[in-house]
Amino acid sequence: IAGITQAPTSQILAAGRRMTLRCTQDMRHNAMYWYRQDLGLGLRLIHYSNTAGTTGKGEVPDGYSVSRANTDDFPLTLASAVPSQTSVYFCASSDSRRGSYNEQFFGPGTRLTVL
Amino acid sequence: GENVEQHPSTLSVQEGDSAVIKCTYSDSASNYFPWYKQELGKGPQLIIDIRSNVGEKKDQRIAVTLNKTAKHFSLHITETQPEDSAVYFCAASLNYGGSQGNLIFGKGTKLSVKP
Repeated sequence: IAGITQAPTSQILAAGRRMTLRCTQDMRHNAMYWYRQDLGLGLRLIHYSNTAGTTGKGEVPDGYSVSRANTDDFPLTLASAVPSQTSVYFCASSDSRRGSYNEQFFGPGTRLTVL
Repeated sequence: GENVEQHPSTLSVQEGDSAVIKCTYSDSASNYFPWYKQELGKGPQLIIDIRSNVGEKKDQRIAVTLNKTAKHFSLHITETQPEDSAVYFCAASLNYGGSQGNLIFGKGTKLSVKP
């Protein structure tokens, strides 16, 4: 694989169910991000991780959790999905080593519908 | 925190004409301003970026200008082609030393280039 992959491509989920969106990158980037994209609202940061073992909250973290056990993987979990979490979710990564600016590379997205 | 406003939300131009998208930001400390292009069904892709130590950057038909005093930056696309049709996002962040700030995105501009 090259770049960032996300799975699943799309998912329909019943409210109250647990769901994990997967994200894997092979660029050895230290930083990874999860965004949600809603019509008219652009891209909003949910959670981020600057390095394996650390995570941080973004603009809209409620209802979501993340983990970063290794450099390559950054799963996003919805513990109990609600209809307002219907959105397109994008994972991204960047190389934030000293001297690098925050150029982010995005995955293809996961379209999630919560009924 | 940082806030990024983007205008217009939609833009329609004739093939061969120029297109300009404008963004303003609120945090005068922000020093990195990328532009992303998102084609239908895909993740955003970086097309050009500018850092606060320069006022203009050009790459073939696209250019970005930055006015630090007024806290605004613009994307210029010349000789537009139908394949330029997409949603464009501006963003801003603060990067210093080895620390990267998170990107704050504008809400996007849907550009339509009519043949």
